[in-house]
Amino acid sequence: DSGVTQTPKHLITATGQRVTLRCSPRSGDLSVYWYQQSLDQGLQFLIQYYNGEERAKGNILERFSAQQFPDLHSELNLSSLELGDSALYFCASSVRSMGTIAQIGELFFGEGSRLTVL
Amino acid sequence: ELKVEQNPLFLSMQEGKNYTIYCNYSTTSDRLYWYRQDPGKSLESLFVLLSNGAVKQEGRLMASLDTKARLSTLHITAAVHDLSATYFCAGGDSGYALNFGKGTSLLVTP
Repeated sequence: DSGVTQTPKHLITATGQRVTLRCSPRSGDLSVYWYQQSLDQGLQFLIQYYNGEERAKGNILERFSAQQFPDLHSELNLSSLELGDSALYFCASSVRSMGTIAQIGELFFGEGSRLTVL
Repeated sequence: ELKVEQNPLFLSMQEGKNYTIYCNYSTTSDRLYWYRQDPGKSLESLFVLLSNGAVKQEGRLMASLDTKARLSTLHITAAVHDLSATYFCAGGDSGYALNFGKGTSLLVTP
């Protein structure tokens, strides 16, 4: 168990709908990362938050948005869903900056939220 | 942006055999990670390699890093069925997201 909690584990919805995925990072971790994993695209970085602020953006669509709250949990909002959005969405967190050099960059992943768009 | 390429992408090997997975990356990176993923499961960190010539070993897996060649390898010794999984290498700078390769799906057969 990595300590990163994601809900829901599975989600089935229809095209055009909107869903919210939730992530609670490891206790004390300030950074949260969202990744999308699909068969054709592999593991794609979407967005990173650090202590409530957006830190880096990857291949995140405009229909997707995220935020990190004061208690450090994060939500990924996916709207106007399309069939191609079906994927496994992972949240990861990284150790607080007071850790060792090796630990600072290591990402700990949650179990993922499997989204199926029909 | 750091790009990571792994090969092979699929690997079927017999129990007891040895093999190496290769990971090339495009630009300098603070560190290189190897992760394991079982089907439908999360990613588990196996190794972190921080400097040129770094070598880490855990059981039948050994990872190494050559920063000059921008190459990391994951060597499997005397494979067993439990090693069947997808292995990812990933790189990136400290404090930022890791960029992952496409993964190597390993199947170890009797």
